[in-house]
Formats: sequence, C-alpha cells, structure tokens
Amino acid sequence: GAVVSQHPSRVICKSGTSVKIECRSLDFQATTMFWYRQFPKQSLMLMATSNEGSKATYEQGVEKDKFLINHASLTLSTLTVTSAHPEDSSFYICSASPSGTGRTDTQYFGPGTRLTVL
Amino acid sequence: KQEVTQIPAALSVPEGENLVLNCSFTDSAIYNLQWFRQDPGKGLTSLLLIQSSQREQTSGRLNASLDKSSGRSTLYIAASQPGDSATYLCAVGGSNYKLTFGKGTLLTVNP
Repeated sequence: GAVVSQHPSRVICKSGTSVKIECRSLDFQATTMFWYRQFPKQSLMLMATSNEGSKATYEQGVEKDKFLINHASLTLSTLTVTSAHPEDSSFYICSASPSGTGRTDTQYFGPGTRLTVL
Repeated sequence: KQEVTQIPAALSVPEGENLVLNCSFTDSAIYNLQWFRQDPGKGLTSLLLIQSSQREQTSGRLNASLDKSSGRSTLYIAASQPGDSATYLCAVGGSNYKLTFGKGTLLTVNP
C-alpha cells in the first residue's frame, strides 16, 4: 500500500514550452502533497505545499506564476512548469501525506520526473 | 533556517563492513528525523523514522540514532552488502509538515 506515482517519468521539451507533471496517490487519499526539486548532487528542495481545494503554499524564492500547482482532488496534484527554460531542467519529486495522519511522519514519495529543457 | 549536513559525501567500502553515516542539523527544534534511500534516478524509500522524543530506531541491519540536543544523527549499517549501494538522505521534520534534506551520502559497497 501507500503508492505514489508520477507521470511522466521523463520529459524532454523545447525552451518556452509548458510541461505538466502529475502526482497521484494510488491507494490512499492525500489532503496534502509536496513538490520538491533536486539538482545533481544537491539536496531535495521543497518548492511548494499543495493542499486539496486551496491554493498552494510556495517556498521563498519559488515563482508561483512559473510553477503552477493544482490539487483538484484527494488523489491528484499537478505541477505545470510554464515557459520552461534550460535552468528549469531538474528532477522533480512529489510526496503525499495520507489524510488524517497529521505531521511529517508519513510522506510517501513518488519515483520522480526528470525534466530536460533544450 | 534549518540546515542539514551529511558527512561523508561519498563512501566506498568492501562487502561485509559495518559503516556509519553522519547527519547534523542546525536547529534542534525538530519533530522527527528520517533516513531515506535513493537509487540513481529514482524516488525515495523511507528507511527509518525517529520521533524527537526517541533516541534510536532499528530495522534489520540498520540502526539510526538521534541526539537532538547536539543536532546529530547517525545511520549504522551492519554487514554491508552490494545491494546497499545507493545515496542515503537524512531529512529533518519541522513545522507544517516540511522536511529539510541533506545532500546525501553516496555509498558504494564493493563485492
């Protein structure tokens, strides 16, 4: 149980295009999902916290108009990288916290999406 | 702002050795600390979770300790195997569900 999927696993796009990444909790409901970005040999950096039915909360330095997050249901959150540029190339990982558990004790991570912007 | 540091950045050991990975954090006001494993190009697998009130957790050949007052945690791996080769990440849990990660330790266990 507690499986989180991401789609696509890998995407290559041209500079200036928009890319949507989906994060799904397959066997549980998640009121809260998180989006992280990981550059090579760097830490996972939290980009934003996504709450079902409300606006996402972005970390300092993350452009909310560039990284659009939608958490339309208890099992799906999407991250759209708008007008992508080569510096947006990174590994994007989501995690989901089961509804009702509270705190960070239970965050289940997706397998990640490798974005390459040419 | 919480900062998490992991030492060493990389470690190579022969199969069968016991080893220790280190994690330190700057703000001792944490809720918990987790150790994760990440294989190349993959997501994260949770290994051990230590609540702030706990001193250690064990799972199989893995033992994690937490000294909150000194801002340190260690992950001990006994009788290492080639399949243990991966990047090990330490993450500190703070308020509002947020996790702060270290850069990880790349472990290579040689047959």
